[in-house]
Amino acid sequence: EVLLVESGGGLVQPGGSLRLSCAASGFIVSDNYISWVRQAPGKGLEWVSIIYSGGTTFYADSVKGRFSISRDDSKNTVYLQMNSLRVEDTAVYFCVRAPTITTNYDYWGQGTLVTVSS
Amino acid sequence: DIQMTQSPSSLSASIGDRVTITCRAGQIISNYLNWYQQRAGQAPKLLIYGAFSLHSGVPSRFSGSASGTDFTLTISSLQPEDFATYYCQQAYTHPSFGGGTKVE
Repeated sequence: EVLLVESGGGLVQPGGSLRLSCAASGFIVSDNYISWVRQAPGKGLEWVSIIYSGGTTFYADSVKGRFSISRDDSKNTVYLQMNSLRVEDTAVYFCVRAPTITTNYDYWGQGTLVTVSS
Repeated sequence: DIQMTQSPSSLSASIGDRVTITCRAGQIISNYLNWYQQRAGQAPKLLIYGAFSLHSGVPSRFSGSASGTDFTLTISSLQPEDFATYYCQQAYTHPSFGGGTKVE
């Protein structure tokens, strides 16, 4: 069974940092394309970042230079390091899988809430 | 970024109704268009990929169509479990989503 389990969310002050984890099971993350997609409270979906099977990474303009996606193949886990957090980064962060470079997101985690507030 | 415009933003429907949701892409995206369903308090689920193809396990009352940069999700006969918010997403470039359509 394919599962994605996010962790690491919480309350952080503006300017602070947080690292989210996405532990995968039932498939190999390095053979797939893993993204982070976020959803602000009561709002729609926003793509944040992706790591390709080959390791190439991309970011939305809104987080470029502040967020960094990586993975640990030995743990079958993907991470999102979030620095210089802003109030507008407050959202539920979903870890999602696409089996190919075409981002058809067939599996989603349950999400982890990040709240940026003073 | 490719803008995705969904309409309507919400609609009211009854059990058994035929429901149509439209998504317009800001440029040509071929058929790289996906549809997702998000029930309240849950993560989104993939319904349709490649504009037309039904994802595994999705009921056949859901269907997708395309014409140029306009895409349509149709629910042929609305069921109680279909009351949810629906999102389109282009997969032509780095992903972008429509604003969502709440079916209530």
